[in-house]
Parts: sequence; structure tokens; C-alpha cells
Amino acid sequence: AQSVTQLGSHVSVSEGALVLLRCNYSSSVPPYLFWYVQYPNQGLQLLLKYTSAATLVKGINGFEAEFKKSETSFHLTKPSAHMSDAAEYFCAVSRSAGNQFYFGTGTSLTVIP
Amino acid sequence: DAGVIQSPRHEVTEMGQEVTLRCKPISGHDYLFWYRQTMMRGLELLIYFNNNVPIDDSGMPEDRFSAKMPNASFSTLKIQPSEPRDSAVYFCASIQGATGFDEQFFGPGTRLTVL
Repeated sequence: AQSVTQLGSHVSVSEGALVLLRCNYSSSVPPYLFWYVQYPNQGLQLLLKYTSAATLVKGINGFEAEFKKSETSFHLTKPSAHMSDAAEYFCAVSRSAGNQFYFGTGTSLTVIP
Repeated sequence: DAGVIQSPRHEVTEMGQEVTLRCKPISGHDYLFWYRQTMMRGLELLIYFNNNVPIDDSGMPEDRFSAKMPNASFSTLKIQPSEPRDSAVYFCASIQGATGFDEQFFGPGTRLTVL
């Protein structure tokens, strides 16, 4: 079975500070892992994905995530937060292409000026 | 491409009425997913199709829910009869499986309110 746990439903950071959003996964097979961003009243947008290639994955808007098998983690980071990063972020896992995604409960990121 | 198109964007209906949500995926994409999002339960997969064929409908909550994909460019999610607990935002997602999930897009959602 696959699942993800996002630690912290709300995270606040100051503008210019490091963003760290945590995601731990559970999977019986090598997983595909994803991070999505959702702005108010919009659908989800793919930020980045891990599909068993490089463990450090770079995505859009300056975000990146590192797959750590030993820690079963896939935390999302950004060196310097921008006001426009304020949104809801979702981590998701899938077993393989053509299988369903399992989403975490989301983390709401607030950026303080 | 205009992206994934969902209609209507907002729907307000009364309990017991039939509701039909529509989705037009991106041309050339072979997977289509229907999700429901609520504050209480987050994002839930309802059903997904591959090449217009339903693959997994285990997330469909009850027989009141049904989904069809008559062709590659159109899918519907129907609720009959609707209940207040069906109030949620319903998302459709379109994915090109051959790209290894690079090509995946969510629609803007339909906000359903059942009174």
C-alpha cells in the first residue's frame, strides 16, 4: 500500500527565509513521488517529481526535493521564500505509471513580509 | 491548448437533484482522473480512466455516483440524487502516461454546493 504523511498542516516563514515542507512516504515498491502547489480557487500544479532517477529533484519556481530512501522522506525546500509562494502544498505517491495517486493532507504555507 | 476544461465552475443545487460535472482533458492524454477535495477529507481519488476505460472506481463513494468517458475528449461525473455531504470541489486531471507523469494537468475544479 502507498501513503504519504505531511508533517505540519501550517507552516509560516519570513520572506527570504528557507522553506522546508516535510513529506514521508510509505510504499511497498519503489515509489513515484510528487509535490504539487495549489493556489486559492485553482487546481493543482505539478512542482516536481521523483521517478527513480536523480535523488535530488529540481522543480519550478526554485523548489527542489530530495528523495531519501533510508528516511522514507521527500521533503520540499526552497532557499529563499517569496510572497508569491504562499499557497497549499501537497505531496503525493504513486506506485507506477498508470496507477492512482495518494495525496497527503496538504501544508498551507504562509510567507510573512 | 486551453488546458483541462471543467464545467460548470460553480454549481448550487438542492438535495435530491441530479448533478452532472463535465471535463474536457488535454488532447493526446491517455489518463483521466476525477478527484474530490474537502476540508475534512482532503483530496480523494474517485475514479480514473485509461484510454476511456475505467480502471479503478473504488473511490466512488456510493451508487449515487457514476462516471463515464464516452470518448477521449470528454468525461462526466454524475451524482443522482445529490446530498449535502457531496458538497466539495471536484477536480479532473489529465495525464499523458508515456511521458512518465511529466505531462499532467489539473482542471480549475467545479465547486459543488448541495443545499
